[in-house]
Amino acid sequence: GAVVSQHPSRVICKSGTSVKIECRSLDFQATTMFWYRQFPKKSLMLMATSNEGSKATYEQGVEKDKFLINHASLTLSTLTVTSAHPEDSSFYICSATGLVGADTQYFGPGTRLTVL
Amino acid sequence: TQLLEQSPQFLSIQEGENLTVYCNSSSVFSSLQWYRQEPGEGPVLLVTVVTGGEVKKLKRLTFQFGDARKDSSLHITAAQPGDTGLYLCAGRMDSSYKLIFGSGTRLLVRP
Repeated sequence: GAVVSQHPSRVICKSGTSVKIECRSLDFQATTMFWYRQFPKKSLMLMATSNEGSKATYEQGVEKDKFLINHASLTLSTLTVTSAHPEDSSFYICSATGLVGADTQYFGPGTRLTVL
Repeated sequence: TQLLEQSPQFLSIQEGENLTVYCNSSSVFSSLQWYRQEPGEGPVLLVTVVTGGEVKKLKRLTFQFGDARKDSSLHITAAQPGDTGLYLCAGRMDSSYKLIFGSGTRLLVRP
């Protein structure tokens, strides 16, 4: 149980376009979802926290107008990178916590974004 | 600045050797977790420690939480090539749902 999926797993886009990444909890209801960013050979950096039905809370230094987060249901959160630029190229990982055992975050497999 | 510093940053050892990875902070954490991540995948939880001084064993892996809950260590006995990966510690502070990740230790076990 407690499986989190991400789609797509890899995406390549042109500079200036927008890209949407989906994060789904497959077998549990995710009250809270987290979005992380990871640069090559680096650790995970929390970008934002989203709760179902409310606005996301962004970490300091993360542009909320550039990284749009929507958590419309208890099983789906989306991250949209708007007007992507090469410096946005990174590995984006989501995680989710459920109604029970909220101390445990279940991580998705990640999405590799490459902006040309 | 990194709240959780891991050392070493990179470790290359021969199969069968032992190793220890350290995770240090000046802050107190209510709990600390260790993850292992392979290239192109999300991190996988190995263990959670919550009590100061706690020791947990997972086969050849031994995890320890410092008495003051500011540091932790991961010891691997008789490392195998399958242990290769990025090891991350992550801590949670009191009354916070956020996980703060350490700087990471990249382990390479050579056959």
